[in-house]
Amino acid sequence: AQSVAQPEDQVNVAEGNPLTVKCTYSVSGNPYLFWYVQYPNRGLQFLLKYITGDNLVKGSYGFEAEFNKSQTSFPLKKPSALVSDSALYFCAAQRYTGTASKLTFGTGTRLQVTL
Amino acid sequence: NAGVTQTPKFRILKIGQSMTLQCAQDMNHNYMYWYRQDPGMGLKLIYYSVGAGITDKGEVPNGYNVSRSTTEDFPLRLELAAPSQTSVYFCASTKQGVDEQYFGPGTRLTVT
Repeated sequence: AQSVAQPEDQVNVAEGNPLTVKCTYSVSGNPYLFWYVQYPNRGLQFLLKYITGDNLVKGSYGFEAEFNKSQTSFPLKKPSALVSDSALYFCAAQRYTGTASKLTFGTGTRLQVTL
Repeated sequence: NAGVTQTPKFRILKIGQSMTLQCAQDMNHNYMYWYRQDPGMGLKLIYYSVGAGITDKGEVPNGYNVSRSTTEDFPLRLELAAPSQTSVYFCASTKQGVDEQYFGPGTRLTVT
């Protein structure tokens, strides 16, 4: 069975500082990895994904993530945080089976960016 | 292009009542999904569909049913509502299985 762990319930960072949101995964075979963001009372929005190729993936709003196969990690990063980045962030993983593929989500990390 | 739409936005049900949560997408996506989101638990997959006429169970299907008669619509049926079904329900869709999923705005359901 596949699983995703987000060990931090909340991450606090000052505006302008770099941010990292941790994620580790357990997926047999080659994983497909995603980050989504959820603003209050909204559905999830796609940020970025890793399918294959370069381990460093760049996404929306200046976010990036680095796939590390040996550590089975896919942390979300941003060089300079904004107050508007405050939201709930979900890491997700799937193993493509050729037909349907089911996404497994982590429990989410709340990012709080303060002035 | 409305994307993924869900109705209603909010609903309160009494124990034992039934209802249908509606989901529609106008992106001609093959795959559609239903998730429930509980605090601190992330999203759990209830049911999914890979195309019209084809559905399958996810992680937490008990107490729910789905149908997929058209590419656009994927309603979720709750029979005999229970307090454990109090949650926020999200519908999502994607063109291919490895593409990013597009989510609807959610339905907040309370069963009392």
